[in-house]
Amino acid sequence: DAKTTQPPSMDCAEGRAANLPCNHSTISGNEYVYWYRQIHSQGPQYIIHGLKNNETNEMASLIITEDRKSSTLILPHATLRDTAVYYCIVRQDNQFYFGTGTSLTVIP
Amino acid sequence: NAGVMQNPRHLVRRRGQEARLRCSPMKGHSHVYWYRQLPEEGLKFMVYLQKENIIDESGMPKERFSAEFPKEGPSILRIQQVVRGDSAAYFCASSPGQGAHEQYFGPGTRLTVT
Repeated sequence: DAKTTQPPSMDCAEGRAANLPCNHSTISGNEYVYWYRQIHSQGPQYIIHGLKNNETNEMASLIITEDRKSSTLILPHATLRDTAVYYCIVRQDNQFYFGTGTSLTVIP
Repeated sequence: NAGVMQNPRHLVRRRGQEARLRCSPMKGHSHVYWYRQLPEEGLKFMVYLQKENIIDESGMPKERFSAEFPKEGPSILRIQQVVRGDSAAYFCASSPGQGAHEQYFGPGTRLTVT
């Protein structure tokens, strides 16, 4: 179902940038890439989305390759509170397919 | 501005009983989505509703599960004759419109079937 692939887990040192990759090689021209995260067992939280241009907001930056087949979510200065499962999603019609995401652990 | 509300937060049912999960969307949101998350898995889409209409129920099991979003009141996800395999976290999300990019999620209802 999911149109994205992500590494199952990553570690990042506190204060360093966390770079989370995502492959979406079958993405269509008008499909957006979304990133959500789920902290522990809470409801997912929206982070950022993009179509073809790089995007930045107060939480993160999203870098999308020119061919749109992959993207990277960047948390510029990871904190312990950023430990979570991060989902890269390509929306299909009305549905977000979450996949299994990347479990990011920020290490003190 | 209250976020998406779900209740109950935890629900225990015996096999064969009915489970009713409620979701109140954010103020001004008329679109509701239900997702199910089994342990150690990602969220799976179940159903998308607007007020009084089911727009997409392609992720909903064909039997025992139903959803509604009446003109007044919360959206209800109903599971009849629950089985142990229904034990999961059920999340509701809302958005202001079909083309909206963000879905705002509630805290979830954790259903345990004994």
